[in-house]
Amino acid sequence: NAGVTQTPKFRVLKTGQSMTLLCAQDMNHEYMYWYRQDPGMGLRLIHYSVGEGTTAKGEVPDGYNVSRLKKQNFLLGLESAAPSQTSVYFCASSYRETATQYFGPGTRLTVL
Amino acid sequence: KQEVTQIPAALSVPEGENLVLNCSFTDSAIYNLQWFRQDPGKGLTSLLLIQSSQREQTSGRLNASLDKSSGRSTLYIAASQPGDSATYLCAVNPSGTYKYIFGTGTRLKVLA
Repeated sequence: NAGVTQTPKFRVLKTGQSMTLLCAQDMNHEYMYWYRQDPGMGLRLIHYSVGEGTTAKGEVPDGYNVSRLKKQNFLLGLESAAPSQTSVYFCASSYRETATQYFGPGTRLTVL
Repeated sequence: KQEVTQIPAALSVPEGENLVLNCSFTDSAIYNLQWFRQDPGKGLTSLLLIQSSQREQTSGRLNASLDKSSGRSTLYIAASQPGDSATYLCAVNPSGTYKYIFGTGTRLKVLA
């Protein structure tokens, strides 16, 4: 039982490049979330999903897109990376919206 | 707009001391509140979840209380140990939403 896993762990991009971050959970959770964590700002919600095939915007969705084609996977895409997207990205899942959230280990992204 | 504040931002205590971490929130309309632990370079681990109808939750040396009307929660750590050194974050789940709002955390260092 791996819990929540994230791929990759580290990535360096140049401005304008694109990439996809993968989150996978094996707990059969309906709800999945993408956060970014920046110094002094806490965790901020980017996008979330309340079930397979659904996505919704969080607090800071601009510049990101997401997809939930399979219940166990939640993908976060950056179409044209900008230095302001340098951050640590965390994925989380929960079996319902008011339950404990389980977090992945994070992806450290640097955009030059 | 819900805001979550944690004071102090950092705290150093000698081993064995009992300590209290504080969390305040601006809107009392919440489903629940969670306390998380984050080790450097790692993801978040849920410590305790308190439902809005509860006053406190306990797990081992940890006790979390919730006073919804005053917008406050405390995390009490008994007999602190160097292994407790980490950043502690609180997060509230506003009523009627699918998301959590995080504080910026308290960085705790327990000195041997």
